Amino acid sequence: EAQVTQNPRYLITVTGKKLTVTCSQNMNHEYMSWYRQDPGLGLRQIYYSMNVEVTDKGDVPEGYKVSRKEKRNFPLILESPSPNQTSLYFCASAYGGGFTEAFFGQGTRLTVV
Amino acid sequence: RKEVEQDPGPFNVPEGATVAFNCTYSNSASQSFFWYRQDCRKEPKLLMSVYSSGNEDGRFTAQLNRASQYISLLIRDSKLSDSATYLCVVPTSGAGSYQLTFGKGTKLSVIP
Repeated sequence: EAQVTQNPRYLITVTGKKLTVTCSQNMNHEYMSWYRQDPGLGLRQIYYSMNVEVTDKGDVPEGYKVSRKEKRNFPLILESPSPNQTSLYFCASAYGGGFTEAFFGQGTRLTVV
Repeated sequence: RKEVEQDPGPFNVPEGATVAFNCTYSNSASQSFFWYRQDCRKEPKLLMSVYSSGNEDGRFTAQLNRASQYISLLIRDSKLSDSATYLCVVPTSGAGSYQLTFGKGTKLSVIP
């Protein structure tokens, strides 16, 4: 089954403790991206990747890192999480960039205390 | 900054009603547009793509007006299962970039 898989689905952590949210897709898509969704602000792009080893900042990249060492994986790294990073995070992949459907993972609900 | 604005909602409509949402965008160079549906706390899923003047799929019709830079979504004969948040999405792609700009969404509640 074609899918985007994020882990973990739920995470509560403490300020400053490094964490990684994994994202994997099995559709051989070149494009992958991360979003955060907050009430009243909608979905905002954090980082995106157009291919292996090619990543770039989205609208809200501060406090986040990404890597794309393999085509299928695009982990999101929070080196020193802060409470303002409490949010619902989605990973997505797409075959042909902005002209094609983006497939989303089920989301990761992160709480930083 | 590229902006996408949507009707704030919420829209509460009875079953069988016809409802329309509007979305305006600021990037005149945008070539493709999407409507996604998002159920509460779930991931967004593609509802319709709009590449030219419009698109129709069953009870759903999307229309594009490039001159006025807006996209609309029309839902006819609303069902209870149509209750969700509808997201207008405008991508920017090419020349080394890939960005999806989302509207904040319009919440629809279809009531019996």
